[in-house]
Amino acid sequence: DTEVTQTPKHLVMGMTNKKSLKCEQHMGHRAMYWYKQKAKKPPELMFVYSYEKLSINESVPSRFSPECPNSSLLNLHLHALQPEDSALYLCASSQDHAGNQPQHFGDGTRLSIL
Amino acid sequence: DAKTTQPPSMDCAEGRAANLPCNHSTISGNEYVYWYRQIHSQGPQYIIHGLKNNETNEMASLIITEDRKSSTLILPHATLRDTAVYYCIVRVYSGAGSYQLTFGKGTKLSVIP
Repeated sequence: DTEVTQTPKHLVMGMTNKKSLKCEQHMGHRAMYWYKQKAKKPPELMFVYSYEKLSINESVPSRFSPECPNSSLLNLHLHALQPEDSALYLCASSQDHAGNQPQHFGDGTRLSIL
Repeated sequence: DAKTTQPPSMDCAEGRAANLPCNHSTISGNEYVYWYRQIHSQGPQYIIHGLKNNETNEMASLIITEDRKSSTLILPHATLRDTAVYYCIVRVYSGAGSYQLTFGKGTKLSVIP
């Protein structure tokens, strides 16, 4: 069992839909992350939030829009996605972004774009 | 780019120790080595991390060479549930007081009955 909870576990959407992925942690962590993982590839960092502020955007297309409403929640809003965006989207959290404490990952949302 | 090199795959007999090597010859003095594993259809699971000294926890041991250019993750008694992709990661400084993990391709460990 993971302490980072992601919903939904699976999502199928069309290219014109708008949907959101959710991530929640109650460990008091102040840094949260979104990663994208294509099949048989390693995870790739997309965004980092530190103390509820966006600190890193790894040149992610604007059709992905992150949001951090509070220190426990992280959302990823999706709009006008392309078939190549089909992947496993992983959320992680850590105590903060500058220390050496490890990141803890959720089990991801498996996204399929039709 | 990842700063680590790992063999793409390894086999280990059940009950034996699994020794997973990692090269990180360009590591800087203040960069930590982290190990994660990813079992099929799950998120990456943190295993252990270290800077200079050897580390041990309930899951594994981490042996870092004195020059810090390589390390070995040891699973002392491998079980079938340890079959996974193991990632060795050097956490790098990304500016403005921030660090990030860059995953390489990892080692696919297969534990064989």
